[in-house]
Amino acid sequence: QVQLQESGPGLVKPSETLSLTCTVSGGSISSYYWNWIRQPAGKGLEWIGRIYNSGSTNYNPSLKSRVTMSVDTSKNQFSLRLSSVTAADTALYYCARGGGTGSGFDPWGQGTLVTVSS
Amino acid sequence: DIQMTQSPSSLSASVGDRVTITCRASQSISSYLNWYQQKPGKAPKLLIHAASSLQSGVPSRFSGSGSGTDSTLTISSLQPEDFATYYCQQSYSTPRTFGPGTKVDIK
Repeated sequence: QVQLQESGPGLVKPSETLSLTCTVSGGSISSYYWNWIRQPAGKGLEWIGRIYNSGSTNYNPSLKSRVTMSVDTSKNQFSLRLSSVTAADTALYYCARGGGTGSGFDPWGQGTLVTVSS
Repeated sequence: DIQMTQSPSSLSASVGDRVTITCRASQSISSYLNWYQQKPGKAPKLLIHAASSLQSGVPSRFSGSGSGTDSTLTISSLQPEDFATYYCQQSYSTPRTFGPGTKVDIK
């Protein structure tokens, strides 16, 4: 079965760039949408955006100016970069498959906590 | 953006109770509505997609209904492992948006 695992620094300084990678195992990344979703502690879920294996992307307008997603099909990985971070970007970051029209996000990675602090 | 609301925001129930959670979208989303269960320290788990289709492996006590702007998640007989937070999410348009969640705890 497909499994997803997030990786990246757990601490990022304000104004710097957050970089995370999601590694897909047990299946190919060469289909489906691949998503990033975040959740501040004790709060709800926010969709950051998605990338297709072709490299086409859709971003949340609230974050669009700061977000870049990429995919590396040779490594079965996709990545998130979020620039100019502030404390408001501190959250648990999840990667997830799916989310096409009419479909949900499944499966999800376990999540990785990113704290923005100097 | 499509705004999602849920009611109630929290509820207390007993094992064996029938529980109903409502989700409302700010515009019609047809049946493009998904439900998730999240337990503390865990990633959300997809329960129902397309408003009423049970995800593989999800117990049949969970069911979903609705279309347009209003959808409902029902747990027919609450079990101890069902105490969690439930989120709805629309997959009609981008940006994908979630409801604020409904926390189900023990009465």
